[in-house]
Amino acid sequence: QTVVTQEPSFSVSPGGTVTLTCGLSSGSVSTSNYPSWYQQTPGQSPRTLIYRTNIRSSGVPDRFSGSILGNKAALTITGAQADDESDYYCVLYWGGGLWVFGGGTKLTVL
Amino acid sequence: HLQLQESGPGLVKPSETLSLTCTVSGDSINSDTYFWGWIRQPPGKGLEWIGVIYYSGSTYYNPSLKSRVTLSVDTSKNHFSLKVLSVTVADTAVYYCARVLRKDSSDLLYYFDHWGQGTLVTVSS
Repeated sequence: QTVVTQEPSFSVSPGGTVTLTCGLSSGSVSTSNYPSWYQQTPGQSPRTLIYRTNIRSSGVPDRFSGSILGNKAALTITGAQADDESDYYCVLYWGGGLWVFGGGTKLTVL
Repeated sequence: HLQLQESGPGLVKPSETLSLTCTVSGDSINSDTYFWGWIRQPPGKGLEWIGVIYYSGSTYYNPSLKSRVTLSVDTSKNHFSLKVLSVTVADTAVYYCARVLRKDSSDLLYYFDHWGQGTLVTVSS
């Protein structure tokens, strides 16, 4: 069974830039997987950040951007702020009505 | 303003059936633009996709849960439901319902655009 891989944790300094990635245990992520990204803080529902690889959801600051980097989907935060400290999940559409969630990345801003 | 609200027992005994309903307000379930889905999150762990249902009743399940999960939809009540059979302590989680936007006027999108607040279900005797 294919697993969606994310960095378990990442750290970034305030004002810095960080790129979180979303890969596959076997194969490459492409735009055909319609990658989407979600932010979750403790006790809250996930918040949609990015869909269809690189489209920002309504109200999401432009410091968040999505892309395909090599064989992975990527979420880049440019100019990280303290309230960006959250868990970030990528989700891939597998086709045939199936979705797969990545294990999530815990981002620390310090 | 779209809202999704999960409801159901917060405590289920091992080997019994977990049943949850997601009531949708502010939009109609009866649309080919959306799927309606369930996702769960065990305490301290990541999100796990359970499955989605289309307004027509077509269902799609996580292969790892397929043998124990059933989704259903009631368009007259504008809600959809989840059943998990033969639960164990490993099924203890916050269960979220969500809307999946399948497409817009020109493109396929396939992402979770609205989420419920989630409900904690504990499996314990």
